[in-house]
Amino acid sequence: EAGVAQSPRYKIIEKRQSVAFWCNPISGHATLYWYQQILGQGPKLLIQFQNNGVVDDSQLPKDRFSAERLKGVDSTLKIQPAKLEDSAVYLCASSLGQLYNEQFFGPGTRLTVL
Amino acid sequence: AQSVTQLGSHVSVSEGALVLLRCNYSSSVPPYLFWYVQYPNQGLQLLLKYTSAATLVKGINGFEAEFKKSETSFHLTKPSAHMSDAAEYFCAVSRRGTGGGNKLTFGTGTQLKVEL
Repeated sequence: EAGVAQSPRYKIIEKRQSVAFWCNPISGHATLYWYQQILGQGPKLLIQFQNNGVVDDSQLPKDRFSAERLKGVDSTLKIQPAKLEDSAVYLCASSLGQLYNEQFFGPGTRLTVL
Repeated sequence: AQSVTQLGSHVSVSEGALVLLRCNYSSSVPPYLFWYVQYPNQGLQLLLKYTSAATLVKGINGFEAEFKKSETSFHLTKPSAHMSDAAEYFCAVSRRGTGGGNKLTFGTGTQLKVEL
């Protein structure tokens, strides 16, 4: 079974530029999550989708971050414009559904903002 | 609100020695508890989870954890460390039931070093 795929794996941009990350969850997984993991910290949930609807985006900085999950499969996370403090690893995870607590994580995208 | 506290950001053990990584949780409702492992430049991999069945949970790679409600703890142990266990370990809590969905709250992580 293929795991959660993410691309790109690494991205370096300058502040005020835009960047987008892509995630392809495990086939059949209805729930998709985006986490931000700053160096030295645990992952923090940014947004959770159930199919193509948003369940929780309470910690998403909506003035600069946006995410979508069209057709309830792939998802993209965008930052526009980026700030220095956005440097982090962005992890995508998926699970069968909200009541299934095991989340499967992708390898992450390491973003460096200069 | 839920939270977890991992005591010790860095733990060093000798190969063959006992591994003990500490996690204490705070939750207003009965929690689900998890341990994840993260190897360099990789995503998180589930080691084990507690979902209210047995309080002693066995996971992959010889790890186990015991849920102690009286101590609000969920410490991770392994009887004999191996060099391949060197990684970062995260404890996480999620809310049981439908209201909070499946939101995981992670601790800050413990970096395990295994020495010869």
